[in-house]
Amino acid sequence: NAGVTQTPKFRILKIGQSMTLQCAQDMNHNYMYWYRQDPGMGLKLIYYSVGAGITDKGEVPNGYNVSRSTTEDFPLRLELAAPSQTSVYFCASSNDRSGGNTIYFGEGSWLTVV
Amino acid sequence: AQKVTQAQTEISVVEKEDVTLDCVYETRDTTYYLFWYKQPPSGELVFLIRRNSFDEQNEISGRYSWNFQKSTSSFNFTITASQVVDSAVYFCALIKNYGGSQGNLIFGKGTKLSVKP
Repeated sequence: NAGVTQTPKFRILKIGQSMTLQCAQDMNHNYMYWYRQDPGMGLKLIYYSVGAGITDKGEVPNGYNVSRSTTEDFPLRLELAAPSQTSVYFCASSNDRSGGNTIYFGEGSWLTVV
Repeated sequence: AQKVTQAQTEISVVEKEDVTLDCVYETRDTTYYLFWYKQPPSGELVFLIRRNSFDEQNEISGRYSWNFQKSTSSFNFTITASQVVDSAVYFCALIKNYGGSQGNLIFGKGTKLSVKP
């Protein structure tokens, strides 16, 4: 069971560089999410998607972009990386947006912007 | 507004002690779900439990138990006979259960539990 797979696990970026965090799920879930976790804090929602071709902003979307061309993949794009984007990023998926079913998380991607 | 408060930032216990992690939530919704997640030092998030707002029965799973009290808006988590492997950060989270929730889990800041041998 692969579940939710994120790559890369670790990355160091220079200020102003761009990169894409990849996320794939093999559970045929319609709903996918990107969260960030800052040190000593809980997770905050960046973007979410309710299905292929549909995305929307979460609580902290500035500096990020997403796309959802397939049910399986939900990449997160960082444009012009800034030190404030140093964080741990978690991708998640579920088959029910109401919370009635478990939300499955990936293992996280540690990003440092220097 | 919705909010989850975990007032205990860090807790340190000795192995075999019982420990309770507190979670207090705020919501105006009558229907919602509460979660507990474990984040071990390796960093991944491990799902522990989900509880809906209409089910106030306490739950026990091995050494873990959860006490949900709507009257005090609390969803506390107790580990009985703690073990070193329980050392982790534990997060309580809340989600609305209606069409507009979009899966937005509201997380507390977490409680770091250290279990010493």
